[in-house]
Amino acid sequence: DAGVTQSPTHLIKTRGQQVTLRCSPKSGHDTVSWYQQALGQGPQFIFQYYEEEERQRGNFPDRFSGHQFPNYSSELNVNALLLGDSALYLCASSLAGAQYFGPGTRLTVT
Amino acid sequence: RKEVEQDPGPFNVPEGATVAFNCTYSNSASQSFFWYRQDCRKEPKLLMSVYSSGNEDGRFTAQLNRASQYISLLIRDSKLSDSATYLCVVESNFGNEKLTFGTGTRLTIIP
Repeated sequence: DAGVTQSPTHLIKTRGQQVTLRCSPKSGHDTVSWYQQALGQGPQFIFQYYEEEERQRGNFPDRFSGHQFPNYSSELNVNALLLGDSALYLCASSLAGAQYFGPGTRLTVT
Repeated sequence: RKEVEQDPGPFNVPEGATVAFNCTYSNSASQSFFWYRQDCRKEPKLLMSVYSSGNEDGRFTAQLNRASQYISLLIRDSKLSDSATYLCVVESNFGNEKLTFGTGTRLTIIP
């Protein structure tokens, strides 16, 4: 049974560019949450998707948007990248219970 | 005040020793509590849930004090493989809600 998968593993972008990160949830999970983890910090909640709708959102600007597909996979889009967006982006999936994390995408903005 | 506060450490502990981590949370309406473990440059992995009655999983014991809004983790007979960052995590409601993480406590077990 595959766990949560994310792609790409690493990404380098330039300020002002846009990026799309992808996540496939653990089999049977219907809820996907996205987190941003800066170096030396705990993960910060970005938003959560359930039934293809954004159900909750953390304190992140509108530059951060997402989508969930009928197969429960999800994308995180970030527009107009800033240097401060450099972080590990984690996807977590769940089904009415504990959240399980994917390996993350490490984004570097130069 | 941060929603979840932890001592960032680092804790450097000899192999075989007992080590305890503490965490406080500010939202009294929080419903679920967890400890996650994160190895360097890896994703967080669920270590254990935390219940008011206390729960134990092998060498690990977690405790919740709702009145004091305080969560603890005890590791007995520490192993080299216990070296990691331990994240205290709070969930606002039961199931499928956003997780709020502490900054983590870095633990290094010394041979």
